Formats: sequence, C-alpha cells, structure tokens
Amino acid sequence: DAKTTQPNSMESNEEEPVHLPCNHSTISGTDYIHWYRQLPSQGPEYVIHGLTSNVNNRMASLAIAEDRKSSTLILHRATLRDAAVYYCILRAFKTGANNLFFGTGTRLTVIP
Amino acid sequence: NAGVTQTPKFQVLKTGQSMTLQCAQDMNHEYMSWYRQDPGMGLRLIHYSVGAGITDQGEVPNGYNVSRSTTEDFPLRLLSAAPSQTSVYFCASSYAQGASLYGYTFGSGTRLTVV
Repeated sequence: DAKTTQPNSMESNEEEPVHLPCNHSTISGTDYIHWYRQLPSQGPEYVIHGLTSNVNNRMASLAIAEDRKSSTLILHRATLRDAAVYYCILRAFKTGANNLFFGTGTRLTVIP
Repeated sequence: NAGVTQTPKFQVLKTGQSMTLQCAQDMNHEYMSWYRQDPGMGLRLIHYSVGAGITDQGEVPNGYNVSRSTTEDFPLRLLSAAPSQTSVYFCASSYAQGASLYGYTFGSGTRLTVV
C-alpha cells in the first residue's frame, strides 16, 4: 500500500477553518484517499473519502490536488470536539480484503 | 443502536493466561478486522475476515487466533498472554466489496493489560 505523510501536530483556534495536509506522492490510479479521526479514548471514526474530485459532507471537505499527489482535509469551523488525531489513508479499490493501514496521523489541538 | 460492540471494555490478565475478546456487529457487514493500538502509535492490523468461515493474517498476527462462524461475530483469542500484548484492541467492520467506497465502523475498544 502506498504511504502517506502528515505533520505530527497542528493547532487551530476555535471557530476558524483548519486545513490538514497529506502527501501521497506514490499514489496509484486505483487508490482512494480516506480520512479517519480518533477522538481521545475512542475508536477511529470515518470522516470522508475521495478519488479525484473534491468532496464535501456534513463533517468536512476533501480537496485533492490535480496530480493526486497530495490532499487536504478541511474543517470549516473548528470546534473543541474536533480535537483528535486525523489519519490520511490510501486504499486501493479492489475486491477481497480492503484493510486500512494507519500511520501516526496529525494531532489537532483546538484552542478556545 | 446499530454498530460494532466490543466486550469487555477493560481486562487485566496475568502472563500466560488466555482469553477471548468479543466483537459483534449488527449491520450485516461481511468484512471484519481486529487492530491493536499501542501508546502514541497508529493502529496495526492483527487479523481480518472477508466473510463467515474466511480469515487471514494481518501485520501482527503472532499470539492471536480468530474464527468467523457467523457474519455477526468475530472473536479474538489470546493464546498465552504476554506483557507485549498490553494494548488497546479495536474491532472494525465494513462491506466486503467496494470497501474503499464506504467507511469502516469501529468499536469503542478493549483496553488490555498483561502483568
């Protein structure tokens, strides 16, 4: 599975937008970009995923570079409840096993 | 509520003891997996299953066994607990096919300490 690179930590002020970057220079054409987050003492939670086009859902937006070698998770207005570790994961679209391989992610701190 | 249920939430074992971590889902997901998370690290895959009767090893399978007799249940067995198995264990489920198009649902975890 292709590898992703994320900053270890980021800070944001409450109610401001947050842009969490992810580099994936070895991404293949069949890899989807997934984002999960893990709140303290909880299991990971699916946030969003995409292939080529930008994606929006109720939790966040995903902006994907034209060459797909990087992407950015956007939280439009950070709240204290968004403080978590955010994981960027590449998953190939294929039948059979589709396991998630987690890196160490980005720890987001939201400042009141 | 629909989701992934893990039991117990906390467990302390003595070295050499065996136990089973339970995982059940009520979403009719074909795909289930077990991860462990050590302090300050990401999750690592232990075992997974793409359907009843089918299991396979992940990144760190040594010391663990699994079986999948029903779609709903995917228990993880520790054969002879060791201090290195002290960790938080997460179970997850998803649709087997097109899993890249759908999010995985994780349980709330089992915190295991081996002394």
